[in-house]
Amino acid sequence: EVQLVESGGDLVQPGGSLRLSCAASGFTFSDFTMHWVRQAPGKGLEYVSAMSRDGGSTFYADSVKGRFIISRDNSKNTLYLQMSSLRPEDKAVYYCVKDLFSRSWVSGLDVWGQGTTVTVSS
Amino acid sequence: EIVLTQSPATLSVSPGERATLSCRASQSVTSYLAWYQQKPGQAPRLLIYDASNRATGIPARFSGSGSGTDFTLTISSLEPEDFAVYYCQQRSNWPITFGQGTRLEIK
Repeated sequence: EVQLVESGGDLVQPGGSLRLSCAASGFTFSDFTMHWVRQAPGKGLEYVSAMSRDGGSTFYADSVKGRFIISRDNSKNTLYLQMSSLRPEDKAVYYCVKDLFSRSWVSGLDVWGQGTTVTVSS
Repeated sequence: EIVLTQSPATLSVSPGERATLSCRASQSVTSYLAWYQQKPGQAPRLLIYDASNRATGIPARFSGSGSGTDFTLTISSLEPEDFAVYYCQQRSNWPITFGQGTRLEIK
């Protein structure tokens, strides 16, 4: 069974930093592009970032560019999101998402983790 | 950025009836459109990818159609578990964007 388990969400002060992790299992992690998508409380879905299977290609939404860094460790089947200079508007549930098809850049947001909650407040 | 506009914002339908949800893109996304279902307290679930392809395990009562700028998600006969929020999403251009969602509620 494909599983994605996020961790690392916490309460952090504005300007602070946090690293989210996503542990993947049940599939060949290194064959798939991975994504982060977030959802602010009571709001819709916002695409955050993507990383290709080998880490050679990345994408960031303008809202996080220069503040967030996506990375992956294929030997540990883990995806990361390093978040810095956090703002109150970054408060959200952050989902780790597996791409739909292997060996493609982006084909669809197939399997989602349960999410981890980031709260930015003083 | 491609803007996706979903309509209606809320749709009230009785169980057993047909539901039709719409998604309009601000420019062509060819067929690179997906639909997701989200229930309260849960992560979204992929229903349809590339406009008309059902994802693994999705019941046949869910179908997608359209191309270019106008897309439709149809649920042929609503089951109690289908009442949820539905989002469309495009992958034609970066950034990937989502519609604002349609809430499907029990009439």
